[in-house]
Amino acid sequence: AQSVTQLDSQVPVFEEAPVELRCNYSSSVSVYLFWYVQYPNQGLQLLLKYLSGSTLVKGINGFEAEFNKSQTSFHLRKPSVHISDTAEYFCAVITNQGGKLIFGQGTELSVKP
Amino acid sequence: ETGVTQSPTHLIKTRGQQVTLRCSSQSGHNTVSWYQQALGQGPQFIFQYYREEENGRGNFPPRFSGLQFPNYSSELNVNALELDDSALYLCASSLAGREPNSPLHFGNGTRLTVT
Repeated sequence: AQSVTQLDSQVPVFEEAPVELRCNYSSSVSVYLFWYVQYPNQGLQLLLKYLSGSTLVKGINGFEAEFNKSQTSFHLRKPSVHISDTAEYFCAVITNQGGKLIFGQGTELSVKP
Repeated sequence: ETGVTQSPTHLIKTRGQQVTLRCSSQSGHNTVSWYQQALGQGPQFIFQYYREEENGRGNFPPRFSGLQFPNYSSELNVNALELDDSALYLCASSLAGREPNSPLHFGNGTRLTVT
Protein backbone atom coordinates (compact mmCIF):
# COMPACT_ATOMS: atom_id res chain seq x y z
CA ALA A 1 0.00 0.00 0.00
CA GLN A 2 1.07 3.55 -0.61
CA SER A 3 1.13 6.42 1.84
CA VAL A 4 2.00 10.10 1.86
CA THR A 5 3.34 12.10 4.77
CA GLN A 6 3.48 15.87 4.74
CA LEU A 7 5.94 16.72 7.45
CA ASP A 8 4.60 20.16 8.37
CA SER A 9 0.95 20.88 9.10
CA GLN A 10 1.52 24.66 9.12
CA VAL A 11 4.24 26.81 7.59
CA PRO A 12 4.21 30.53 8.38
CA VAL A 13 6.51 32.68 6.26
CA PHE A 14 7.02 36.33 5.45
CA GLU A 15 6.30 37.74 2.01
CA GLU A 16 9.20 37.45 -0.48
CA ALA A 17 10.92 34.78 1.64
CA PRO A 18 11.69 31.33 0.21
CA VAL A 19 9.59 28.36 1.27
CA GLU A 20 9.83 24.57 1.20
CA LEU A 21 6.90 22.26 1.88
CA ARG A 22 8.04 18.74 2.63
CA CYS A 23 6.48 15.52 1.36
CA ASN A 24 7.61 11.93 1.81
CA TYR A 25 5.93 8.89 0.32
CA SER A 26 6.00 5.15 0.76
CA SER A 27 5.43 2.64 -2.03
CA SER A 28 6.76 -0.74 -3.10
CA VAL A 29 6.27 0.10 -6.79
CA SER A 30 6.98 3.07 -9.01
CA VAL A 31 4.74 6.07 -8.52
CA TYR A 32 3.59 9.29 -10.08
CA LEU A 33 3.64 12.33 -7.80
CA PHE A 34 1.53 15.48 -7.71
CA TRP A 35 1.17 18.71 -5.76
CA TYR A 36 -2.23 20.38 -5.54
CA VAL A 37 -3.22 23.73 -4.00
CA GLN A 38 -6.56 24.48 -2.35
CA TYR A 39 -7.65 28.08 -1.78
CA PRO A 40 -10.39 28.74 0.81
CA ASN A 41 -13.81 27.42 -0.19
CA GLN A 42 -12.49 26.00 -3.46
CA GLY A 43 -11.54 22.66 -4.94
CA LEU A 44 -8.01 21.50 -5.64
CA GLN A 45 -5.89 22.91 -8.45
CA LEU A 46 -2.92 21.05 -9.92
CA LEU A 47 0.40 22.83 -9.28
CA LEU A 48 2.78 20.33 -10.85
CA LYS A 49 3.40 16.64 -11.47
CA TYR A 50 6.27 14.20 -11.74
CA LEU A 51 5.71 11.33 -14.15
CA SER A 52 9.22 10.48 -15.36
CA GLY A 53 12.41 12.05 -16.69
CA SER A 54 14.01 15.09 -15.08
CA THR A 55 13.67 15.00 -11.32
CA LEU A 56 13.17 18.77 -11.10
CA VAL A 57 9.71 19.76 -12.25
CA LYS A 58 8.34 23.24 -12.63
CA GLY A 59 4.73 24.16 -12.10
CA ILE A 60 2.42 27.13 -12.10
CA ASN A 61 2.80 30.27 -9.99
CA GLY A 62 6.60 29.89 -9.74
CA PHE A 63 6.54 26.64 -7.78
CA GLU A 64 8.91 23.74 -8.42
CA ALA A 65 9.49 20.33 -6.84
CA GLU A 66 12.29 17.81 -6.84
CA PHE A 67 11.75 14.06 -6.92
CA ASN A 68 14.30 12.17 -4.84
CA LYS A 69 13.86 8.44 -5.26
CA SER A 70 16.49 7.40 -2.72
CA GLN A 71 14.88 9.54 -0.02
CA THR A 72 11.33 8.91 -1.30
CA SER A 73 10.64 12.62 -1.15
CA PHE A 74 8.95 15.20 -3.36
CA HIS A 75 9.45 18.57 -1.67
CA LEU A 76 7.77 21.70 -3.05
CA ARG A 77 9.70 24.97 -3.21
CA LYS A 78 9.26 28.58 -4.18
CA PRO A 79 12.12 31.11 -4.04
CA SER A 80 9.93 34.10 -3.14
CA VAL A 81 6.35 33.82 -1.90
CA HIS A 82 3.48 36.27 -2.24
CA ILE A 83 0.51 36.96 -0.01
CA SER A 84 -1.64 35.29 -2.66
CA ASP A 85 0.19 31.98 -2.10
CA THR A 86 -1.61 31.60 1.24
CA ALA A 87 -3.50 28.32 0.86
CA GLU A 88 -3.52 24.62 1.73
CA TYR A 89 -1.08 22.47 -0.23
CA PHE A 90 -1.50 18.73 -0.78
CA CYS A 91 1.02 16.18 -1.96
CA ALA A 92 -0.46 13.12 -3.69
CA VAL A 93 0.78 9.81 -5.12
CA ILE A 94 -0.56 7.12 -7.42
CA THR A 95 1.21 3.96 -8.53
CA ASN A 96 2.12 3.43 -12.17
CA GLN A 97 -0.24 0.44 -12.09
CA GLY A 98 -3.26 2.64 -11.39
CA GLY A 99 -5.57 2.63 -8.44
CA LYS A 100 -6.49 5.59 -6.33
CA LEU A 101 -4.73 8.93 -5.91
CA ILE A 102 -3.66 9.14 -2.27
CA PHE A 103 -3.31 12.51 -0.61
CA GLY A 104 -1.28 13.69 2.34
CA GLN A 105 -2.87 15.54 5.24
CA GLY A 106 -2.01 18.92 3.80
CA THR A 107 0.27 21.83 4.71
CA GLU A 108 -1.23 25.22 5.47
CA LEU A 109 1.03 27.91 4.02
CA SER A 110 0.45 31.30 5.62
CA VAL A 111 2.28 34.23 4.03
CA LYS A 112 2.48 37.34 6.19
CA PRO A 113 3.34 40.89 5.06
CA GLU B 1 -13.40 24.58 -22.08
CA THR B 2 -15.93 23.96 -19.30
CA GLY B 3 -14.45 22.85 -15.99
CA VAL B 4 -15.86 20.47 -13.40
CA THR B 5 -19.08 21.73 -11.86
CA GLN B 6 -20.75 20.40 -8.73
CA SER B 7 -24.19 20.98 -7.28
CA PRO B 8 -25.38 21.99 -4.83
CA THR B 9 -22.59 24.05 -3.26
CA HIS B 10 -23.95 23.67 0.25
CA LEU B 11 -26.41 21.25 1.81
CA ILE B 12 -27.77 20.64 5.29
CA LYS B 13 -29.35 17.27 6.10
CA THR B 14 -30.56 15.47 9.18
CA ARG B 15 -29.07 12.23 10.46
CA GLY B 16 -30.73 9.24 8.79
CA GLN B 17 -31.70 11.11 5.62
CA GLN B 18 -30.43 10.40 2.12
CA VAL B 19 -28.54 12.83 -0.13
CA THR B 20 -27.59 13.01 -3.82
CA LEU B 21 -24.68 15.12 -5.02
CA ARG B 22 -24.10 15.87 -8.69
CA CYS B 23 -21.07 16.45 -10.85
CA SER B 24 -20.54 17.45 -14.46
CA SER B 25 -17.13 16.45 -15.73
CA GLN B 26 -14.79 18.64 -17.73
CA SER B 27 -15.39 18.54 -21.46
CA GLY B 28 -13.71 15.50 -23.03
CA HIS B 29 -13.06 13.70 -19.74
CA ASN B 30 -14.39 10.15 -19.40
CA THR B 31 -13.52 9.34 -15.79
CA VAL B 32 -14.98 10.72 -12.58
CA SER B 33 -13.61 10.26 -9.06
CA TRP B 34 -15.26 11.24 -5.80
CA TYR B 35 -13.40 12.26 -2.65
CA GLN B 36 -14.48 13.11 0.88
CA GLN B 37 -12.53 15.86 2.65
CA ALA B 38 -13.20 16.21 6.36
CA LEU B 39 -12.27 19.47 8.03
CA GLY B 40 -8.51 19.82 8.33
CA GLN B 41 -7.83 16.58 6.45
CA GLY B 42 -6.65 15.56 3.02
CA PRO B 43 -9.18 14.19 0.52
CA GLN B 44 -10.08 10.51 0.95
CA PHE B 45 -10.92 8.43 -2.14
CA ILE B 46 -14.51 7.18 -2.23
CA PHE B 47 -14.74 5.62 -5.72
CA GLN B 48 -14.08 6.16 -9.40
CA TYR B 49 -16.29 5.65 -12.44
CA TYR B 50 -15.05 4.93 -15.95
CA ARG B 51 -17.41 4.32 -18.86
CA GLU B 52 -20.37 4.08 -16.47
CA GLU B 53 -18.82 1.34 -14.33
CA GLU B 54 -17.18 1.51 -10.92
CA ASN B 55 -13.42 1.37 -11.46
CA GLY B 56 -12.10 1.24 -7.90
CA ARG B 57 -13.42 1.94 -4.43
CA GLY B 58 -11.95 3.26 -1.22
CA ASN B 59 -12.71 2.25 2.34
CA PHE B 60 -16.28 3.52 2.46
CA PRO B 61 -19.41 1.53 3.43
CA PRO B 62 -22.01 0.42 0.84
CA ARG B 63 -24.35 3.26 1.82
CA PHE B 64 -22.04 5.37 -0.34
CA SER B 65 -22.99 4.63 -3.94
CA GLY B 66 -22.62 6.29 -7.28
CA LEU B 67 -23.58 6.45 -10.91
CA GLN B 68 -21.99 7.68 -14.10
CA PHE B 69 -24.15 8.63 -17.06
CA PRO B 70 -23.46 8.32 -20.82
CA ASN B 71 -22.45 12.02 -20.92
CA TYR B 72 -19.86 11.20 -18.18
CA SER B 73 -21.64 13.24 -15.50
CA SER B 74 -21.95 11.52 -12.16
CA GLU B 75 -23.90 11.28 -8.93
CA LEU B 76 -22.84 10.40 -5.41
CA ASN B 77 -25.58 9.02 -3.19
CA VAL B 78 -25.29 8.60 0.55
CA ASN B 79 -27.98 6.77 2.50
CA ALA B 80 -28.66 6.78 6.23
CA LEU B 81 -26.56 9.87 6.84
CA GLU B 82 -24.40 9.99 9.95
CA LEU B 83 -22.91 13.00 11.71
CA ASP B 84 -19.42 11.94 10.56
CA ASP B 85 -20.52 12.27 6.95
CA SER B 86 -20.27 16.03 7.35
CA ALA B 87 -17.49 17.04 4.96
CA LEU B 88 -16.59 18.66 1.67
CA TYR B 89 -17.32 16.23 -1.17
CA LEU B 90 -15.08 16.73 -4.16
CA CYS B 91 -15.63 15.47 -7.66
CA ALA B 92 -12.71 15.21 -10.07
CA SER B 93 -12.66 14.31 -13.73
CA SER B 94 -9.82 13.05 -15.85
CA LEU B 95 -8.90 11.08 -18.93
CA ALA B 96 -7.54 8.43 -16.57
CA GLY B 97 -9.60 5.37 -17.19
CA ARG B 98 -6.75 2.93 -17.22
CA GLU B 99 -4.10 5.71 -17.39
CA PRO B 100 -3.02 6.58 -13.84
CA ASN B 101 -0.78 9.49 -14.82
CA SER B 102 -3.65 11.64 -16.06
CA PRO B 103 -4.09 14.50 -13.56
CA LEU B 104 -7.41 15.01 -11.81
CA HIS B 105 -9.35 18.23 -12.39
CA PHE B 106 -11.44 19.11 -9.36
CA GLY B 107 -14.71 20.94 -8.89
CA ASN B 108 -15.24 23.35 -6.01
CA GLY B 109 -17.05 20.72 -3.97
CA THR B 110 -20.31 20.34 -2.10
CA ARG B 111 -20.23 21.20 1.60
CA LEU B 112 -22.50 18.70 3.37
CA THR B 113 -23.51 19.32 6.97
CA VAL B 114 -25.37 16.57 8.85
CA THR B 115 -27.18 17.63 12.02
